[in-house]
Amino acid sequence: ETGVTQTPRHLVMGMTNKKSLKCEQHLGHNAMYWYKQSAKKPLELMFVYSLEERVENNSVPSRFSPECPNSSHLFLHLHTLQPEDSALYLCASSQAGNEQFFGPGTRLTVL
Amino acid sequence: QKEVEQDPGPLSVPEGAIVSLNCTYSNSAFQYFMWYRQYSRKGPELLMYTYSSGNKEDGRFTAQVDKSSKYISLFIRDSQPSDSATYLCAMSAGSGGGADGLTFGKGTHLIIQP
Repeated sequence: ETGVTQTPRHLVMGMTNKKSLKCEQHLGHNAMYWYKQSAKKPLELMFVYSLEERVENNSVPSRFSPECPNSSHLFLHLHTLQPEDSALYLCASSQAGNEQFFGPGTRLTVL
Repeated sequence: QKEVEQDPGPLSVPEGAIVSLNCTYSNSAFQYFMWYRQYSRKGPELLMYTYSSGNKEDGRFTAQVDKSSKYISLFIRDSQPSDSATYLCAMSAGSGGGADGLTFGKGTHLIIQP
């Protein structure tokens, strides 16, 4: 596979569930990002990892927990989410050049 | 005041027309400017990447940056129905993007009528 992949592509969960989103980049990049895209709103940066260290946490609620075990993989662990957390969650990667490449996203619905 | 302003549209033009998409911003520290194209139910796809002021051309696409006016544009020549998508502008202050992430506009929904 090439580029940035995300699984699952669609996820429906209840407010009490625990689930994880997975992102994998095949570009040899050293930085990875989570963004949230809601209807009628700009993409919102959630987390940044550079060289596997978290460098940005954009005031995201603790019910979202990121994990970056190595430079190719990024996870977003979800627990006790709210209906307003329903959105498209996008993963991106870059190699210190500001050109960020995005995955296809996970469409999350919280019931 | 929002950091990046972008008219959400929809903008509808006939096939073959020249399309002009624009964003304004307030943060004078922004130096890196990007345009992404996003089709429905897909992730954003990088179209153009520019640094500081000036023009950049790639095929039918031209990106312009005017830092003095805090205004960026994307022009699409000979527009095709396949260009119908949402176009997102994005920008960043620092190079590398490693610690900055990008600041996005809301996106403009473009429709090219056959």
